[in-house]
Amino acid sequence: AQTVTQSQPEMSVQEAETVTLSCTYDTSENNYYLFWYKQPPSRQMILVIRQEAYKQQNATENRFSVNFQKAAKSFSLKISDSQLGDTAMYFCAFMNLAGNTGKLIFGQGTTLQVKP
Amino acid sequence: EPEVTQTPSHQVTQMGQEVILRCVPISNHLYFYWYRQILGQKVEFLVSFYNNEISEKSEIFDDQFSVERPDGSNFTLKIRSTKLEDSAMYFCASSEGYGGRTEAFFGQGTRLTVV
Repeated sequence: AQTVTQSQPEMSVQEAETVTLSCTYDTSENNYYLFWYKQPPSRQMILVIRQEAYKQQNATENRFSVNFQKAAKSFSLKISDSQLGDTAMYFCAFMNLAGNTGKLIFGQGTTLQVKP
Repeated sequence: EPEVTQTPSHQVTQMGQEVILRCVPISNHLYFYWYRQILGQKVEFLVSFYNNEISEKSEIFDDQFSVERPDGSNFTLKIRSTKLEDSAMYFCASSEGYGGRTEAFFGQGTRLTVV
């Protein structure tokens, strides 16, 4: 069974600075996706960034980038130039492409507070 | 921008009662999901649904749970006899395809409180 672990329950960062959120996962599969979702106080889950396991290049989306270490099964999220609107809970998620069901397995989440 | 809509936003029900949570997925999406999040805990997969049948369900999704797409636009989650431990935020999601290349869009959630 696949598992996703986020070892940092809470983090804080000063506005405009950079913060890295950690995520590790466990799987014996080779074909999968990894995601970071943001859940602001409004509670809706919003996709931040995704990474295909077969791609070695790390995904980037504007101020958000990942450090994907496949052998170490590590998938961290870096937020550059943090903004107050980045304050939210962040979930790392895994999707196994075998089985074709689209099921996401989430980590426990990291609450990020951006301070002015 | 298209969005997944869930109703109601908050439902309070008595233990043992049946409850139906409703979702309107994005219109051209073919894959539908329900997740739940007990307060302060992680988001857990309940069920995925495609082509009018369940494609995968978790251990949480026991005989008390069922899903339906009654009219081609709504996607519902029914809990037949609610328990206190069913209190949680329930999220509906939909995607155009199942793979990670297509994004799963989440609704804003229904907070279910069982008293």
